[in-house]
Amino acid sequence: DAKTTQPDSMESTEGETVHLPCSHATISGNEYIYWYRQVPLQGPEYVTHGLQQNTTNSMAFLAIASDRKSSTLILTHVSLRDAAVYHCILRVGTGGNNKLTFGQGTVLSVIP
Amino acid sequence: AQTIHQWPVAEIKAVGSPLSLGCTIKGKSSPNLYWYWQATGGTLQQLFYSITVGQVESVVQLNLSASRPKDDQFILSTEKLLLSHSGFYLCAWSLGGCAETLYFGSGTRLTVL
Repeated sequence: DAKTTQPDSMESTEGETVHLPCSHATISGNEYIYWYRQVPLQGPEYVTHGLQQNTTNSMAFLAIASDRKSSTLILTHVSLRDAAVYHCILRVGTGGNNKLTFGQGTVLSVIP
Repeated sequence: AQTIHQWPVAEIKAVGSPLSLGCTIKGKSSPNLYWYWQATGGTLQQLFYSITVGQVESVVQLNLSASRPKDDQFILSTEKLLLSHSGFYLCAWSLGGCAETLYFGSGTRLTVL
């Protein structure tokens, strides 16, 4: 799976909108962009994913650049519950192993 | 709705002792199953995956083994624990097919002394 680059940390205040960037300059045409978040001593939680089009769900909006070399996870009205490590992961499953390769991710801190 | 249950929640074990961690998925037939491991302060690594009963593939060698005795059950074990086995173990499931979303359990925290 191709590599992603994320900032080590970001900070936001409760109620604000936060934009979490992810760079994936060598993404392949069949690689999906997945976002997970994890808090200490809990399993990663699926947030969203996309291939080419922007996507939205109850948790977040995923904006994908037209050349697919970068993406941004947008969280609106952040709360303390949104404080977590956010992982941007590229993946294409092969042979039944839907492998996720985690990096260090972005630590999002939320100030009350 | 699908549920994933891991047991135990936490374990403290002695070096050289055996280990068995379990994972059960309810509400989904024939899921793909996965074991991941995270050392303290480290990143998550995939250890094993299974696409069907009785079939397990190893991804990383850590002197651990895995088995899938039932469609909804995945077991991680070793006969002799090492200090380096300490960490956080996570089970996950997905549908079959390519690039399917993985859903993780709440994990088992293992401390080897």
